Amino acid sequence: DSGVTQTPKHLITATGQRVTLRCSPRSGDLSVYWYQQSLDQGLQFLIQYYNGEERAKGNILERFSAQQFPDLHSELNLSSLELGDSALYFCASSVFAATSEKLFFGSGTQLSVL
Amino acid sequence: QQQVKQSPQSLIVQKGGISIINCAYENTAFDYFPWYQQFPGKGPALLIAIRPDVSEKKEGRFTISFNKSAKQFSLHIMDSQPGDSATYFCAASFDGGSQGNLIFGKGTKLSVKP
Repeated sequence: DSGVTQTPKHLITATGQRVTLRCSPRSGDLSVYWYQQSLDQGLQFLIQYYNGEERAKGNILERFSAQQFPDLHSELNLSSLELGDSALYFCASSVFAATSEKLFFGSGTQLSVL
Repeated sequence: QQQVKQSPQSLIVQKGGISIINCAYENTAFDYFPWYQQFPGKGPALLIAIRPDVSEKKEGRFTISFNKSAKQFSLHIMDSQPGDSATYFCAASFDGGSQGNLIFGKGTKLSVKP
């Protein structure tokens, strides 16, 4: 068990809808990363937050947004969902801000857009 | 320049054999090279990592070999066991600034036959 908790484990929704994925980092970790895993694109970095502030942005669509709350949990909001958004979404946490060392991943949320 | 190319896509090895997975990168600014192991239904878990100031790092049955001039690194799994059957990802990142995120290879599905 990595100590990173993601909910829900599975999410089935329809095109055009909006969903929220939740992540609780390991105790003491200030950085939260979001990754998308799909068969064709592999693991793609979406966005990183450190202690409540956005720190780095990757291949995140404008329809997607994230935030990190004062208790350090993070939420990834996906709106106007399309079939192609179906993927496994991972959250990872780290105690560090500017290095990817010691990154711990949660078990992911499997999103299916029908 | 941001890509990490991983091969092979899949690998079948007999129990007790050596599994070898290779990765190549282009961006010479990368300075952290981890390998992650992922079992079905789980998130990636850090297996072993190396910095470019060393050419080899060994942890138990797992060894990373790093060739800075060729911009290549590889994972060797000695005495491969059925429990090693998983998908392995290489990754790369460079620290500092806003780039503390991992760029992953596409993954290698390893099957170790008893």
